[in-house]
Amino acid sequence: GQNIDQPTEMTATEGAIVQINCTYQTSGFNGLFWYQQHAGEAPTFLSYNVLDGLEEKGRFSSFLSRSKGYSYLLLKELQMKDSASYLCAVMDSNYQLIWGAGTKLIIKP
Amino acid sequence: DADVTQTPRNRITKTGKRIMLECSQTKGHDRMYWYRQDPGLGLRLIYYSFDVKDINKGEISDGYSVSRQAQAKFSLSLESAIPNQTALYFCATSDSNRGHTGELFFGEGSRLTVL
Repeated sequence: GQNIDQPTEMTATEGAIVQINCTYQTSGFNGLFWYQQHAGEAPTFLSYNVLDGLEEKGRFSSFLSRSKGYSYLLLKELQMKDSASYLCAVMDSNYQLIWGAGTKLIIKP
Repeated sequence: DADVTQTPRNRITKTGKRIMLECSQTKGHDRMYWYRQDPGLGLRLIYYSFDVKDINKGEISDGYSVSRQAQAKFSLSLESAIPNQTALYFCATSDSNRGHTGELFFGEGSRLTVL
């Protein structure tokens, strides 16, 4: 079966750096996506990786290793507004998105 | 105004009732999706549509039906609601003309409670 694993919850301190990991086993691979979802709100797109390596976008970076079935989202200079759930999703061989359950990130002052 | 609008935002109903959730979008996207989100689970795809005359079942379509009335409108129906359909429902859109189609734009969600 297809599976996306990410930690349920993480805690970090304002101003620090946090890395949220995602491992996947899917039928084929056509890209990995990270979304941010604030409590009670809709998910919003953060990043897309299809080739191995690091994609940087401001304070957020996303890394992919296709051979290891692994990705991480790196958040730098954490702000209180970064408190949210972060969803990892993989597009499989049928171009369907398979979603992880999300990682709830708690930022403490 | 939101680009992807869902109505109603909140609904409480009883077992056996018919419920319709509506979604409209002003983004001009061709693809539309209905997902449900439950605590501790990932988003699960109910139905999706790549164009007005195209309807496809997702992972969990049993107990649901959809209608794509126009490119901008995609509605989800629960013919006879049951308590385990209590969830947060999201409509989403994407544009097939983009380089990849995994960038979804979500509505604000419809919270449905079935008693």
